[in-house]
Amino acid sequence: EAGVTQFPSHSVIEKGQTVTLRCDPISGHDNLYWYRRVMGKEIKFLLHFVKESKQDESGMPNNRFLAERTGGTYSTLKVQPAELEDSGVYFCASSQEDRDRTLHFGNGTRLTVT
Amino acid sequence: AQKITQTQPGMFVQEKEAVTLDCTYDTSDPSYGLFWYKQPSSGEMIFLIYQGSYDQQNATEGRYSLNFQKARKSANLVISASQLGDSAMYFCAMRERRSNSGYALNFGKGTSLLVTP
Repeated sequence: EAGVTQFPSHSVIEKGQTVTLRCDPISGHDNLYWYRRVMGKEIKFLLHFVKESKQDESGMPNNRFLAERTGGTYSTLKVQPAELEDSGVYFCASSQEDRDRTLHFGNGTRLTVT
Repeated sequence: AQKITQTQPGMFVQEKEAVTLDCTYDTSDPSYGLFWYKQPSSGEMIFLIYQGSYDQQNATEGRYSLNFQKARKSANLVISASQLGDSAMYFCAMRERRSNSGYALNFGKGTSLLVTP
């Protein structure tokens, strides 16, 4: 089966610009998560979708971040306007059940804001 | 709040030797799950092994085993017969229950492992 795919793999934008990250979960996985790792810090939870609904978005840093999952398939994470501190690696993960023993991660999108 | 501690920022091991990567956790939840992930230089997060808090035996997956000591709240990863391809960042994580009834992973800072010939 195809794994979790993320696009783009890298993105370099200027402060104030907008960037949209995309995640395609494994087909049939209702649960989709976004995480990010800011340089030198832990990987942090951002939010969790169950199908098209936001189950938990308490990890979103501020209102410059907007996540959507239209139709319960792929998800997008938009950062608008981007700030320097948004630089990091953004991971998407999916699972069939919320308590699955394996959470399948994508390769991540490395975002650099200059 | 749960917390994962990985005290070894970096580790070296010689090829074919075994290595233990430390992980301690803190939680008041009696039901939890512990994960180890590998992140090579290419960036992807690769699931290695899982241990449930109620599992009676230590988890094993090929050359990976998890030394689960519940009373000490430790979940160390043991890699046997290290290979050059094992050089990577290793993350310990705990699944935590979020306030909105869902679950999410809480990660440690990671340990960078370098396997030398």
